[in-house]
Amino acid sequence: NAGVTQTPKFQVLKTGQSMTLQCAQDMNHNSMYWYRQDPGMGLRLIYYSASEGTTDKGEVPNGYNVSRLNKREFSLRLESAAPSQTSVYFCASSEAEYNYGYTFGSGTRLTVV
Amino acid sequence: KNQVEQSPQSLIILEGKNCTLQCNYTVSPFSNLRWYKQDTGRGPVSLTIMTFSENTKSNGRYTATLDADTKQSSLHITASQLSDSASYICVVTADNYGQNFVFGPGTRLSVLP
Repeated sequence: NAGVTQTPKFQVLKTGQSMTLQCAQDMNHNSMYWYRQDPGMGLRLIYYSASEGTTDKGEVPNGYNVSRLNKREFSLRLESAAPSQTSVYFCASSEAEYNYGYTFGSGTRLTVV
Repeated sequence: KNQVEQSPQSLIILEGKNCTLQCNYTVSPFSNLRWYKQDTGRGPVSLTIMTFSENTKSNGRYTATLDADTKQSSLHITASQLSDSASYICVVTADNYGQNFVFGPGTRLSVLP
């Protein structure tokens, strides 16, 4: 089925370890996003890519890096994981037009111990 | 600061009953408002989108209203079903380029048999 695919679905890291969350979409969308969702809070934007070759910081970029590998793929990297990065991470994609909604992936549940 | 608030935080109703979820926002400029449904362990899925000039929009048993003067929106669910159990998230777009989305914390709805 068409949509946004995230891997892995679950991950446990030790403090200081690194990892990359993968995201791919097959809808030919220009824009891709990484969000984190914490209990009692709205989704917060970490980074976004308005189009292939561009990336910009969102609301909470510290501790993360991203790569827009091509139009389909947008990865999120944690260089040195911290317990504060325990969260559920969602990748999303959309067309650049403002009235198009997001298509979200199913999320990655990350625990940093 | 752009903010979206939702109430109640959680709600429990019996199957077949109606319910109304509230969203208040202080977002400027306002472009549009969306309601998303997020099933447990899944990414959010768009239910409705409303622009400044729209007062009501329906999607099956879901009816969203928007009062741009008071900056309030509501999502009314009619004849609830067990499958309506989910979190409902209000999202306001704060620009005309589709890059500045402000998410509410969500309302957790539980429909009991």
